[in-house]
Amino acid sequence: EADIYQTPRYLVIGTGKKITLECSQTMGHDKMYWYQQDPGMELHLIHYSYGVNSTEKGDLSSESTVSRIRTEHFPLTLESARPSHTSQYLCASKVGETQYFGPGTRLLVL
Amino acid sequence: GNSVTQMEGPVTLSEEAFLTINCTYTATGYPSLFWYVQYPGEGLQLLLKATKADDKGSNKGFEATYRKETTSFHLEKGSVQVSDSAVYFCALSLPFYGGATNKLIFGTGTLLAVQP
Repeated sequence: EADIYQTPRYLVIGTGKKITLECSQTMGHDKMYWYQQDPGMELHLIHYSYGVNSTEKGDLSSESTVSRIRTEHFPLTLESARPSHTSQYLCASKVGETQYFGPGTRLLVL
Repeated sequence: GNSVTQMEGPVTLSEEAFLTINCTYTATGYPSLFWYVQYPGEGLQLLLKATKADDKGSNKGFEATYRKETTSFHLEKGSVQVSDSAVYFCALSLPFYGGATNKLIFGTGTLLAVQP
């Protein structure tokens, strides 16, 4: 198992604000992922990382950016939030073939 | 290409009914297969997994068998409870998918509602 922490759990913010969603894990996993989950439940991979200083874009184009300066942290940033960014964001890390997920951040942009 | 297809929901059952959620996959190579569960307002939790053909994954009364001949990984439970109400995702992972990412490929999710 892996402990994946995400903060905040819920965020309501106005259009144009800069936000950072935090994701951390304490197990030293190299591979980490960000997913966006739409109201229809479908999951879309938006970013992933193989380790420190490694970041890649996923299948779904996203205006967000990520960084991986330390193994345990994989924050996601939106420079200027818009209502179209309203969604749930899920972070995961991987051990072997198995991904473990955090509790998610529900973002509402007004 | 590589993909996962699972039955559309919602699936509505009475408590103690038998559950089957169908999942079939298309993959090059030899995938590992997973079922994840998402309870309301939460992230995904790994429910069970199988890494090779004929393996059976099981957890909390749920089971799924990796069937290579039918490319299926159907989720079953003999007697569901109200607390099993959630969204269930079938997924596959290929070690060298696309040469790089080790991504999980998800189905679209199946909502299960169990009524008392």
